[in-house]
This record gives sequence, structure tokens and C-alpha cells, in this order.
Amino acid sequence: DAGVIQSPRHEVTEMGQEVTLRCKPISGHDYLFWYRQTMMRGLELLIYFNNNVPIDDSGMPEDRFSAKMPNASFSTLKIQPSEPRDSAVYFCASSYQGSGNTIYFGEGSWLTVV
Amino acid sequence: GENVEQHPSTLSVQEGDSAVIKCTYSDSASNYFPWYKQELGKRPQLIIDIRSNVGEKKDQRIAVTLNKTAKHFSLHITETQPEDSAVYFCAAKITGGGNKLTFGTGTQLKVEL
Repeated sequence: DAGVIQSPRHEVTEMGQEVTLRCKPISGHDYLFWYRQTMMRGLELLIYFNNNVPIDDSGMPEDRFSAKMPNASFSTLKIQPSEPRDSAVYFCASSYQGSGNTIYFGEGSWLTVV
Repeated sequence: GENVEQHPSTLSVQEGDSAVIKCTYSDSASNYFPWYKQELGKRPQLIIDIRSNVGEKKDQRIAVTLNKTAKHFSLHITETQPEDSAVYFCAAKITGGGNKLTFGTGTQLKVEL
């Protein structure tokens, strides 16, 4: 398996623009997570899905952030409008309930908002 | 919700020495404790994990211990090598909390020659 695949790997955008991050989880995994990593706040869980259904979005910072999982092999995290404080690395991760909880991370999307 | 504290935030050791990183958790219902290693510019990768029915687990030069009573767990790296230099994260998962992990704040380990 190719692992969790994220795109884009790097994005630089201007404040106010819409940003869409994409994720393809490992085939067969039933959990999908979106994490944000910054120096100040470390690894924060934004939202996670189980069988394509959002379970906990309490980590989503505000209404500018939204996430969807239309099917088992695709998810998006959208920021609209983007702000400089959204600059971070966004990791998508997936796991399979039967795998004993091991979570596998994608390579991350490095977002810079100027 | 679960809260995980990790210490120290930075750790510098000489090559060949041992390194110990400690974490505490708040929710006694936590039952799974993984450790991730993140090299600069890379993704976090699982290096070892332990479940609440086990007190210690070892894999070559790394080991993890768990004290459920005190609600803390530790990562031990022996005979450290320069390639061990990275950021290490502990995490905890609550029973019945889906597969949701709460991470510690990370420890920057530097192994000096």
C-alpha cells in the first residue's frame, strides 16, 4: 500500500484565499484524522471520521474550517478564508479498528498563508 | 477529555548514553500508549506502543514502561546513536474513544557525537 496520501505537499497562498487540502487514507482503514502541527501548539486533532461520518470536530478552530469525507477513500479539509495564523503543517492520518489502534500519518501538507 | 503531559521538552545526550522521556496522562480509562518519532520535515512514525494490560515492552534498543496506578509511561532508548536525533511524541487513547489519540507536546532529542 502507498500509505496515506496527501496533496498538495506545499502551498503558499494569500490571506483571504480558500485553501483545500486533500487526503486519501490507506485502503480498508475505517478511521480518518486531520491533525495540525505548529511549534506553539504541537500536534492538535482537528476532526476525525469513522466510516466516513464525522465523530468529533471539537478541535476545529472556527467556522472558517470545514472537513468532509464523501467516501471511504477521500477527505478534504477546507479553510475559507485563510489567515496567516493558519500557517502550519496539516497531517492526515488513518487507522483500522482491527489493527489495534495504530495510526498512520501522511507526509503532511505544509501551508503558508501570507 | 484526556490530557497528556510530556517531559523534558529538549534532551541532549552523548552518543552511547541512554535517553528517557516521560509522559503522564489524566484519564484512567486510557488503554493504549504509542510513541512516535518525527524526523525533521517528515511525518510522525510509530516506533513502539504498549497497552494497559502490559507493564513493559522492549524492541531492540527501545523500551516503554507503563505505570497505570501513577498514570505515567516512559520511553527508554539505550546506546543512543546520531540517527536517534528527532522529536518524540507520546500519546494516549481512551477506551471507547474511537481510535482518537491525544498527543504530548514532544521531546526534541539530540544525540551528540
